[in-house]
Formats: sequence, C-alpha cells, structure tokens
Amino acid sequence: ETGVTQSPTHLIKTRGQQVTLRCSSQSGHNTVSWYQQALGQGPQFIFQYYREEENGRGNFPPRFSGLQFPNYSSELNVNALELDDSALYLCASSDRYIYNSPLHFGNGTRLTVT
Amino acid sequence: SQKIEQNSEALNIQEGKTATLTCNYTNYSPAYLQWYRQDPGRGPVFLLLIRENEKEKRKERLKVTFDTTLKQSLFHITASQPADSATYLCALGDNFNKFYFGSGTKLNVKP
Repeated sequence: ETGVTQSPTHLIKTRGQQVTLRCSSQSGHNTVSWYQQALGQGPQFIFQYYREEENGRGNFPPRFSGLQFPNYSSELNVNALELDDSALYLCASSDRYIYNSPLHFGNGTRLTVT
Repeated sequence: SQKIEQNSEALNIQEGKTATLTCNYTNYSPAYLQWYRQDPGRGPVFLLLIRENEKEKRKERLKVTFDTTLKQSLFHITASQPADSATYLCALGDNFNKFYFGSGTKLNVKP
C-alpha cells in the first residue's frame, strides 16, 4: 500500500508569484482534500475533489484552485501569492465509499512567501 | 460557522499517568469525530473515530468519549509514555467526509 506523497517538500516564493503543489493519493483512494496549516494552528480545509470535480470548499478565495487527475493524483494552485499564504499545505486522501473514512495525510509542502 | 476548541496550552504529565485532552465544539452537529496525532514536520496520523450515536471507543491504551449534549469529546491515553509526546488534533466530520480541525493540544510526557 503506497501512502500519500507530496512534492516539493519545501518551497520559497515571492509575493505575487504563482505556485503549484502536487499530491499522489494513497492507492485505492478516490477522494483528495487539501488543507492549509499555519504555524501553531490546526489544518484548515481548502477544498475536496472527487471524480475530478471540486466537491466542497472552505473559506478560501478563488486564487486557490485545484485539479484531480484520473489516477487520483492532485494539484493545488495558488495565484498572486500573499505573505499570509506561508504555511504547511497538506494533502489527504480518503475513500468516499467508506463512511467515516479517515484521512490519510502526506507530510506536506512547507511554503514560504517572502 | 463551526468553532472547535482544544486547549492551546501544552499538557505536561509524568510517564505512566493518564493524559486527558479535551475537544469542545459549537455551531455544529458532527456526524462523527476523529482524533489525529501530529509529530513536528509530519502530516497528521489517524488514531480513532467515534460516531454521534456512540458514547465511548477504545483502542489499546487510547479511549475517546463523545457527548453530543455537552458538545465535547475527551481523549485519554493511559499509561502514557515519552513516545506519546506529540500534538493531538480533533476533527469533526460531516456526512460528505469533510473535516474541520481544532488547533491541537501539545502533549509532553516526561520520563
């Protein structure tokens, strides 16, 4: 069983730039969720994808967007980066067909915006 | 919007004692609640799930209670060990597998 992998592990960007973060879901999982975790805080739900479509969104502006591919891998794109976007971005996969399915997280991408 | 509160102060206990962590929530009726462990620089790892119609769940040294009237969950680690030192997160789930996390409580178990 392959776990959730994220790339890159660390990234430094300048304010106003765009960034793409990647996630490979655990095998057999059909749903991917993205979370933003600021230092000392819990993960905040950004959005969830199922069957390549956004299936719920948290309180994040449209400059946060995503994609899910047929192999269930996923991307998170953030445009017009702001300093407050500096955080750990976590990808989590789950199985929609299992009720109460726990989230399986990757170890995240640490994004620093300067 | 929903609010999930965990004690932001670190919990320091002696090895062998029972650690009890609290999760309170408002403006929400979760279908279930999960607890996760997070180590520095790592993603959260699932520990236990409890459904809205369950009062208590156990797994080895872990025990979770869920009181939907008080809107509170308690997470217990018995016979705690230094290896249990980590941040523990509670997460409330809806019927669409979407989760809302608390800010976590850091547990320090001293030998």
